[in-house]
Amino acid sequence: QAVLTQPSSLSASPGASASLTCTLRSGFNLGAYRIYWYQQKPGSPPRYLLRYRSDSDKQQGSGVPSRFSGSKDASANAWILFISGLQSEDEADYYCMTWHSSAYVFGAGTKVTVL
Amino acid sequence: EVGLVESGGGLVQPGGSLRLSCVVSGFTFGSYEMNWVRQAPEKGLEWVAYISSSGGTIQYADSVKGRFTISRDNAKSSLYLQMNSLRVDDTAVYYCLRVDWPWGQGTLVTVSS
Repeated sequence: QAVLTQPSSLSASPGASASLTCTLRSGFNLGAYRIYWYQQKPGSPPRYLLRYRSDSDKQQGSGVPSRFSGSKDASANAWILFISGLQSEDEADYYCMTWHSSAYVFGAGTKVTVL
Repeated sequence: EVGLVESGGGLVQPGGSLRLSCVVSGFTFGSYEMNWVRQAPEKGLEWVAYISSSGGTIQYADSVKGRFTISRDNAKSSLYLQMNSLRVDDTAVYYCLRVDWPWGQGTLVTVSS
């Protein structure tokens, strides 16, 4: 089982909201980790979006709109990247990353399609 | 140019070596941990190596351990990745990364005969 699991794809309509999940392997405590979210559009390097550990320990990337936000769902042992007011420019791959057992680990990424 | 600028990529035969460099501007390089991350064609992101701000702590992904060496020169605001015994599956775009900072454009490493 991978350390971080992301759904492979998500589709939503323009103006809608989207919740991208990044689930931590069972047995590990969400609160002990800091999660990083990155956006990557075709042909471009990834873009740092935000960092989240708790509501009191979070950071928005420079120039990243406030409609991108982070949170966690302890009951699901998962972090959430919430995108409100989806725009066509949000169509991209989204990766989560965390430090685990002396290594950074990426999720496999979620492809977001704005229909 | 402000940010992270990677260089040193190219075409190399299996078993060969390359040294990647990353010049940093826009922040106090010596105060931050740094990493190398790679992305194979049409694949996801893979972390490769980590180095602490002083260089005293280093970690590697199992896939490159014993073949790659990460280093830094804080006086030159530069990060390096020495890659030896390269394999076809090392083919990727390599990025230097401060985890909470804008990424550079990366440098393409192609391992092929």
